[in-house]
Amino acid sequence: ELKVEQNPLFLSMQEGKNYTIYCNYSTTSDRLYWYRQDPGKSLESLFVLLSNGAVKQEGRLMASLDTKARLSTLHITAAVHDLSATYFCAVDKGGGADGLTFGKGTHLIIQP
Amino acid sequence: DAGVIQSPRHEVTEMGQEVTLRCKPISGHNSLFWYRQTMMRGLELLIYFNNNVPIDDSGMPEDRFSAKMPNASFSTLKIQPSEPRDSAVYFCASSYLQGLPQHFGDGTRLSIL
Repeated sequence: ELKVEQNPLFLSMQEGKNYTIYCNYSTTSDRLYWYRQDPGKSLESLFVLLSNGAVKQEGRLMASLDTKARLSTLHITAAVHDLSATYFCAVDKGGGADGLTFGKGTHLIIQP
Repeated sequence: DAGVIQSPRHEVTEMGQEVTLRCKPISGHNSLFWYRQTMMRGLELLIYFNNNVPIDDSGMPEDRFSAKMPNASFSTLKIQPSEPRDSAVYFCASSYLQGLPQHFGDGTRLSIL
């Protein structure tokens, strides 16, 4: 059974600080997805990482993938309040199967 | 471009009633997914279709759940009979190719009393 584990599950931090969310997965798939969800809203795609060593950046968010360690990280630089949300990582089963298995999400609160 | 469109946005019904959720994927996308989100179990894949054909329905909880995709622009998820434990937010998503992000609809918030 494919498992995706995120940590931490809850994170409260101050504006201006840096922090990293970790995502471990149990399959050999090399496709890793990061999504953002605001309360009561849908999921918004942030990044798709498709190969070992992939790194993508958008604004204050940077995601990386290490397929050998089965680990992805989402790094937040100089956090701002608008980044408060729940962040999910997800993995597909690979081998042509597209359905995603999600982690439990990291609920991030950034305080002014 | 219009995103994934789901209806209804909210549904409140009594236990035992039939519930039908609807989804229109993004035009040109050939894969469609149904997910369920609850506090206890998080986001779970229920079923997905590729080119209108069901590929993996192993996440469908039980025989009370069924899903169809009669054409490339429409899918339904039906629950009959509904039970209180089916209360959740049901998301539909679509994508074009493997390795491209899945685009999610706004979800249907379902409450079974």
